[in-house]
Amino acid sequence: DAGVIQSPRHEVTEMGQEVTLRCKPISGHDYLFWYRQTMMRGLELLIYFNNNVPIDDSGMPEDRFSAKMPNASFSTLKIQPSEPRDSAVYFCASSQGPYNEQFFGPGTRLTVL
Amino acid sequence: RKEVEQDPGPFNVPEGATVAFNCTYSNSASQSFFWYRQDCRKEPKLLMSVYSSGNEDGRFTAQLNRASQYISLLIRDSKLSDSATYLCVVINNAGNNRKLIWGLGTSLAVNP
Repeated sequence: DAGVIQSPRHEVTEMGQEVTLRCKPISGHDYLFWYRQTMMRGLELLIYFNNNVPIDDSGMPEDRFSAKMPNASFSTLKIQPSEPRDSAVYFCASSQGPYNEQFFGPGTRLTVL
Repeated sequence: RKEVEQDPGPFNVPEGATVAFNCTYSNSASQSFFWYRQDCRKEPKLLMSVYSSGNEDGRFTAQLNRASQYISLLIRDSKLSDSATYLCVVINNAGNNRKLIWGLGTSLAVNP
């Protein structure tokens, strides 16, 4: 298996632009997680899905952030409009069950100028 | 008090040393615990789960102390390749949902 795939790996954009991050989980994993990591705040869970259904989005910072999972093999995290404080590494992870090991993708390093 | 706390370090130790990290949690009903390792500019990867009875994997030992609400990670005979950030994860059941809480990580540097 190729593992969790994320794209793009790097994204540089200007404030106000829309940013879309993509994730392909490991086949057969029912749980998908979106995280944001910064030096100051560490790894923060933004939202997670079970069988394509959003379960907990309490970590989504504000309405500018949205996430979708239209099918079992694809998820997006969208930021519109982006702001400099959104600059971070965004990780997607998947797991087989609620208490199982999470497998992380390589992350998307986002810089908002 | 933060829900999960770790000493950020850095811990600087010589090769061959034994080093231990703790991770404290505030919710006494927390149910599952894990240690992840994250190399610089890489993604986190599971190091080991933490079981109530404690568990060992080679040079690594993880323990849970429910009374004092902390988990620990012990690394024996440190190698240069152990240099990384070690993240603890605590999972609580919040109603019908899980709540994953990550520590900020403890940085370890093993020196020649």
